[in-house]
Amino acid sequence: EPEVTQTPSHQVTQMGQEVILRCVPISNHLYFYWYRQILGQKVEFLVSFYNNEISEKSEIFDDQFSVERPDGSNFTLKIRSTKLEDSAMYFCASSERNYEQYFGPGTRLTVT
Amino acid sequence: AQSVAQPEDQVNVAEGNPLTVKCTYSVSGNPYLFWYVQYPNRGLQFLLKYITGDNLVKGSYGFEAEFNKSQTSFHLKKPSALVSDSALYFCAVRDLRRAGNMLTFGGGTRLMVKP
Repeated sequence: EPEVTQTPSHQVTQMGQEVILRCVPISNHLYFYWYRQILGQKVEFLVSFYNNEISEKSEIFDDQFSVERPDGSNFTLKIRSTKLEDSAMYFCASSERNYEQYFGPGTRLTVT
Repeated sequence: AQSVAQPEDQVNVAEGNPLTVKCTYSVSGNPYLFWYVQYPNRGLQFLLKYITGDNLVKGSYGFEAEFNKSQTSFHLKKPSALVSDSALYFCAVRDLRRAGNMLTFGGGTRLMVKP
């Protein structure tokens, strides 16, 4: 069964550094998403991406965040200058249409 | 604004007994509703969805959920719980009036099934 994959599984970075989180969505899916879950809190929507552009973003997704689909398979989330409060589990998801989203295993980001 | 409430942080049930995990939602327009399950150190796994049609929807692993528009609820049920059902369960809603397919999640309910 096809799965969403994410790399790395755990990323440790220093405050102020840039990080890129990578995702490979399910191959025939057209919609892509990033969510995050701060430890002990709800899963929160960050951004959705369709047809090579952002279709919706939350207030969390400020100028420090960007997304890109650099080729036909990868979908990336970049945080330009990480803050301590960016520490969270980041989930990538994809969907074939605008119905159920399939989630990857997550990348745990630790900012020190 | 859309929101989801899962009023129970934890539900305990004995193996073989029926289980219910509660979810209520609030959206401006018509909802799409979803249940996901999370096992330790894993991502969110899709269980079932309500889009339209029959209010009782069936999903993976014997789970089902009932959409109740008047009570704005979408409770997850299973007739006979297994120990392997122990996990964290999330209800999510999407407001059809929004363009980007954003899911809003509840806080999650930990299901503990005891032998």
